[in-house]
Amino acid sequence: DTGVSQNPRHKITKRGQNVTFRCDPISEHNRLYWYRQTLGQGPEFLTYFQNEAQLEKSRLLSDRFSAERPKGSFSTLEIQRTEQGDSAMYLCASSLAARSSYNEQFFGPGTRLTVL
Amino acid sequence: GQQLNQSPQSMFIQEGEDVSMNCTSSSIFNTWLWYKQDPGEGPVLLIALYKAGELTSNGRLTAQFGITRKDSFLNISASIPSDVGIYFCAGQPDYDNTDKLIFGTGTRLQVFP
Repeated sequence: DTGVSQNPRHKITKRGQNVTFRCDPISEHNRLYWYRQTLGQGPEFLTYFQNEAQLEKSRLLSDRFSAERPKGSFSTLEIQRTEQGDSAMYLCASSLAARSSYNEQFFGPGTRLTVL
Repeated sequence: GQQLNQSPQSMFIQEGEDVSMNCTSSSIFNTWLWYKQDPGEGPVLLIALYKAGELTSNGRLTAQFGITRKDSFLNISASIPSDVGIYFCAGQPDYDNTDKLIFGTGTRLQVFP
């Protein structure tokens, strides 16, 4: 399967713990995005990378959140000192910044986070 | 955060019927995308639109980029049970130089046999 993959698919944690999610994009894609989706809503943008450079961060991304893409391939999203309000589906997407398919973002299956 | 307005919010139709849904914004968009999401899964890209007035089909699905650049429409013809899911529009607003997507609130489709 050459699609976007995310691990773990589900994570249950206690409030105050740190969690880390991983995203592996489609292999030739140079852009990688993180979104968050709460129940009954559409995904909301968090941050994105072009290769290893983090180009934009949403104001939704508090200082407890950090994302990295160290070698321009996979990415990690870490949440420190989790709060119940962090419970959501965390989605990763990737795209190829090319003229003909400028903004076709392909999503992974998501990581469902539950903070108790 | 900002979300696009989608309507209807939900639809209950009989198998074989055609479906129409739309997405509107107060701002001009450069790109419109339509996704389908099943429970517990990520959104799956259905159709991408890049020019005002563009009409694009993907099997039984047809989508249009509104001429005002503030709306988009998705039609599904001859619905089948596997069309069940939540349909999201998404777009890249003209006021934003990045390619992050703004998503709609979703249209939940139920198809009865």
